[in-house]
Amino acid sequence: AQSVTQLDSHVSVSEGTPVLLRCNYSSSYSPSLFWYVQHPNKGLQLLLKYTSAATLVKGINGFEAEFKKSETSFHLTKPSAHMSDAAEYFCVVSDRGDDKIIFGKGTRLHILP
Amino acid sequence: KAGVTQTPRYLIKTRGQQVTLSCSPISGHRSVSWYQQTPGQGLQFLFEYFSETQRNKGNFPGRFSGRQFSNSRSEMNVSTLELGDSALYLCASSPWGSGGGGEQFFGPGTRLTVL
Repeated sequence: AQSVTQLDSHVSVSEGTPVLLRCNYSSSYSPSLFWYVQHPNKGLQLLLKYTSAATLVKGINGFEAEFKKSETSFHLTKPSAHMSDAAEYFCVVSDRGDDKIIFGKGTRLHILP
Repeated sequence: KAGVTQTPRYLIKTRGQQVTLSCSPISGHRSVSWYQQTPGQGLQFLFEYFSETQRNKGNFPGRFSGRQFSNSRSEMNVSTLELGDSALYLCASSPWGSGGGGEQFFGPGTRLTVL
């Protein structure tokens, strides 16, 4: 069975410092993994996705994530936070052998000036 | 290509009423999924339709129902509204379905307030 755990419900960083949002998953098959971002009162936008090609995935707005099978993790990083990064981030797992897609509970990222 | 559109964007209803929300997927997408998002429960899956058939269903009462038309547009209906139904309802479309490793494309949502 699939599951996804976002380890922090809130993360605060100062503008210009690195961002780390943590996500662990479990999957019975070969997972596809996604990170989505949701700005206030908006729908979700895809940041990046992993589908068994390169383990380091680059996304939009300078974000990237690394798939680590041994640690069952897919953490999202960005070298330097910007005020516009303040939003909620969702880690998502989908098995290619299954019809289900599972969302994490979300991590709200706060950027301090 | 136009994105996923949802109408209306905002809705205010009173307890006991019913409501219908509409979602138009990206052209060519055959799958439409619906989600309820609340501050307390987060993002919860309601159901998915693929080629006019309900393919998956979340853990919601029968007051929540949906359908999909031959042009892939989907509607979601909530009957006998309760205060706890106040939420942002998100619709997402994809070419082949929510599972199977494919990404979803989300609409802006409908904000439902039940008074």
